Amino acid sequence: EPEVTQTPSHQVTQMGQEVILRCVPISNHLYFYWYRQILGQKVEFLVSFYNNEISEKSEIFDDQFSVERPDGSNFTLKIRSTKLEDSAMYFCASSPAIPPEAFFGQGTRLTVV
Amino acid sequence: LAKTTQPISMDSYEGQEVNITCSHNNIATNDYITWYQQFPSQGPRFIIQGYKTKVTNEVASLFIPADRKSSTLSLPRVSLSDTAVYYCLVGGAGPGRRALTFGSGTRLQVQP
Repeated sequence: EPEVTQTPSHQVTQMGQEVILRCVPISNHLYFYWYRQILGQKVEFLVSFYNNEISEKSEIFDDQFSVERPDGSNFTLKIRSTKLEDSAMYFCASSPAIPPEAFFGQGTRLTVV
Repeated sequence: LAKTTQPISMDSYEGQEVNITCSHNNIATNDYITWYQQFPSQGPRFIIQGYKTKVTNEVASLFIPADRKSSTLSLPRVSLSDTAVYYCLVGGAGPGRRALTFGSGTRLQVQP
């Protein structure tokens, strides 16, 4: 069964450093998403991406965040200058055009120290 | 982004049927209703999705009334492994569709 793959599974970084979280969505999907979940809290929407551009973003997705689909298979989330409060699980998801079922990866646990 | 409201927690026993209701009063015409299950430290797992009326798959059923302002996830004969958080989401299809937004979810505890 096809699945969304995320790497790394766990990343530790120092405050102020840049991190890139990587995702390989399901191959025939057209919509791509990033979500995050701070420990013990709900899953929060960050951004959606379609047709090589951002289609929707939340207020969390400020200028320190960016997304890219560099080569037609990978989908990346970059955090330019990490803060302690960026520590969370980051989930990538993808969905086909119809129906809009989003399939989630297993997440990357980001720890900012 | 569409807002959903569901009970914070529910308790059940093995073998019982569990119904979790979600309200989504501002659902838009293009929005689908999707339910996910999440275990600790794992990504949300798709359970079922519907647009209107009733949908059934091998895991669950989803009941959606005609006005689509609420939906009910039905889990038949739950087991201990169904203990998880269940999320109801609404989001659209087609151009400009709205991303799926998670609420606080319903924490289901299944007892032996």
